[in-house]
Amino acid sequence: EAGVVQSPRYKIIEKKQPVAFWCNPISGHNTLYWYLQNLGQGPELLIRYENEEAVDDSQLPKDRFSAERLKGVDSTLKIQPAELGDSAVYLCASSLSMTDTQYFGPGTRLTVL
Amino acid sequence: AQSVSQHNHHVILSEAASLELGCNYSYGGTVNLFWYVQYPGQHLQLLLKYFSGDPLVKGIKGFEAEFIKSKFSFNLRKPSVQWSDTAEYFCATNNAGNMLTFGGGTRLMVKP
Repeated sequence: EAGVVQSPRYKIIEKKQPVAFWCNPISGHNTLYWYLQNLGQGPELLIRYENEEAVDDSQLPKDRFSAERLKGVDSTLKIQPAELGDSAVYLCASSLSMTDTQYFGPGTRLTVL
Repeated sequence: AQSVSQHNHHVILSEAASLELGCNYSYGGTVNLFWYVQYPGQHLQLLLKYFSGDPLVKGIKGFEAEFIKSKFSFNLRKPSVQWSDTAEYFCATNNAGNMLTFGGGTRLMVKP
């Protein structure tokens, strides 16, 4: 069974540019999560989806970050415009339901210059 | 709000040494507890989890963890580490919404 797929794996952009990350969860997983992991720290939740509904986005900086999961399967996370402090690894995870074990993708490492 | 503390940021051991990584959480209610591992260049993987029942939980690759409610702890142990255990280890807890709160991680280096 394929795991959580994320692309791109690496992205380097200049500040003020937009960037988007894509995630395809494990087939059949209804719950999808986006996490941010800064260097030397543990992941921090940005947003959680139950199917296509964002049920918790309290940690998402809404002035520049947005996310969508239009058909309840794959999801995109966007930053516009990117700032230097956004350099981090962006992780996607999925679970069968909100009470099940989360499985993580390999992450997208973003570098903002 | 929940928080998770991992007191050892870096641990260096020789092969066959015993391992214990500390994890303390702050939430006073019912908690589920997890240890995740991230091997170099790989994604986060679940090592073991505690939801209820026997407080001594056995996971993959010979790891175990003990939930001690009175100490708010969930320390990870392995009696004899191998070079292949070199990785970063994260303790995490969740709430009713299954939102994981992670500790800062412990980088383990095992010398051959």
